[in-house]
Amino acid sequence: KAGVTQTPRYLIKTRGQQVTLSCSPISGHRSVSWYQQTPGQGLQFLFEYFSETQRNKGNFPGRFSGRQFSNSRSEMNVSTLELGDSALYLCASSFSTGDIQYFGAGTRLSVL
Amino acid sequence: KNQVEQSPQSLIILEGKNCTLQCNYTVSPFSNLRWYKQDTGRGPVSLTIMTFSENTKSNGRYTATLDADTKQSSLHITASQLSDSASYICVVRDTGFQKLVFGTGTRLLVSP
Repeated sequence: KAGVTQTPRYLIKTRGQQVTLSCSPISGHRSVSWYQQTPGQGLQFLFEYFSETQRNKGNFPGRFSGRQFSNSRSEMNVSTLELGDSALYLCASSFSTGDIQYFGAGTRLSVL
Repeated sequence: KNQVEQSPQSLIILEGKNCTLQCNYTVSPFSNLRWYKQDTGRGPVSLTIMTFSENTKSNGRYTATLDADTKQSSLHITASQLSDSASYICVVRDTGFQKLVFGTGTRLLVSP
């Protein structure tokens, strides 16, 4: 079956713009988590959704937001982009919270 | 503060040799510990997941051990192959906050 699909794979934006990233989980998975990965910080947890409800949130500013739709697909939005937001954004899906997660290939965002 | 620390930060070994990666954590209470492999430019892939009651778990040439008393885990790679070159990330699930705490990873390079 198809894995976790993230779109787009690459994105270039300028400071002050906003961006929306998309994640389609594995069929049947209802939990979707988002992570930011930078060379210096490693993987940082952003938020976790289950059945359209945000279950957990990491320590990121309010410029980072997300949502999950009834078909379990999820979107992440970053408003007023800053240079420091340049990173690989990874989405992971699992059948339920606490289950093993399967990661997508990520969206590489570059903020100029 | 709950932390997961991995060592070494990077490692170079010859093809065919064995190696062991370390993970020390302070997360408490924790529900499970996971090891992921991440190839450059790709999302992490799960290797093993262990609950606090499990001491060892294998996945092919990968064997993870867990000592919940000393809060240490190791990942042993046997008969390394060039394709083992990747970052290996230790992740601990915080039962209290229901969050995943990520280590910064060990970058392994297998040289021919």
